[in-house]
Amino acid sequence: DAGVIQSPRHEVTEMGQEVTLRCKPISGHNSLFWYRQTMMRGLELLIYFNNNVPIDDSGMPEDRFSAKMPNASFSTLKIQPSEPRDSAVYFCASSTRQGANTEAFFGQGTRLTVV
Amino acid sequence: AQSVAQPEDQVNVAEGNPLTVKCTYSVSGNPYLFWYVQYPNRGLQFLLKYITGDNLVKGSYGFEAEFNKSQTSFHLKKPSALVSDSALYFCAVRDMIGRRALTFGSGTRLQVQP
Repeated sequence: DAGVIQSPRHEVTEMGQEVTLRCKPISGHNSLFWYRQTMMRGLELLIYFNNNVPIDDSGMPEDRFSAKMPNASFSTLKIQPSEPRDSAVYFCASSTRQGANTEAFFGQGTRLTVV
Repeated sequence: AQSVAQPEDQVNVAEGNPLTVKCTYSVSGNPYLFWYVQYPNRGLQFLLKYITGDNLVKGSYGFEAEFNKSQTSFHLKKPSALVSDSALYFCAVRDMIGRRALTFGSGTRLQVQP
């Protein structure tokens, strides 16, 4: 298996622009997580899905952030409009079943820079 | 609520010496505990996990971790450090009911000197 695939690897955008990050989980995994990593705040959970349904989005910073999972093999995280403070590395992860003792597998991340 | 504390921002150790990276946790009920490693410009890689049973868990690359329920700790250890072990290490916890996703600690940077 190719693992969790995220695109793009790097994104540089201007403040106010819309940004869409993409994730393809490992085939057969039915839990998907979006995390954000910054020097100041470390790794923060933004949202997680179970069987394509958002279960906990309490970590989504504000209404500018939205996430979707239209099917079991694809998810997006969208920021509109983007701000410089959104600059971070965004990770997608998947696991076989939320609530079980299974580890999550992480993608390589998308490094977002908002200027 | 569930949380993890990694009290050391950085741990320095000489190659060949034993290493310990500390982690304490807080969770309602019994925990599932995990260690991950992150190399520069890479995603997190799973190292090992504690589910139940033997308190000493063995994982990848010669790492092991000891679960101590009374001290609510899950320290990562390795008998003999390698320069290539230098990386960022994260401890994570999830309660057994699994209502929440993994909660990660702040990370500890391990620096192994030749």
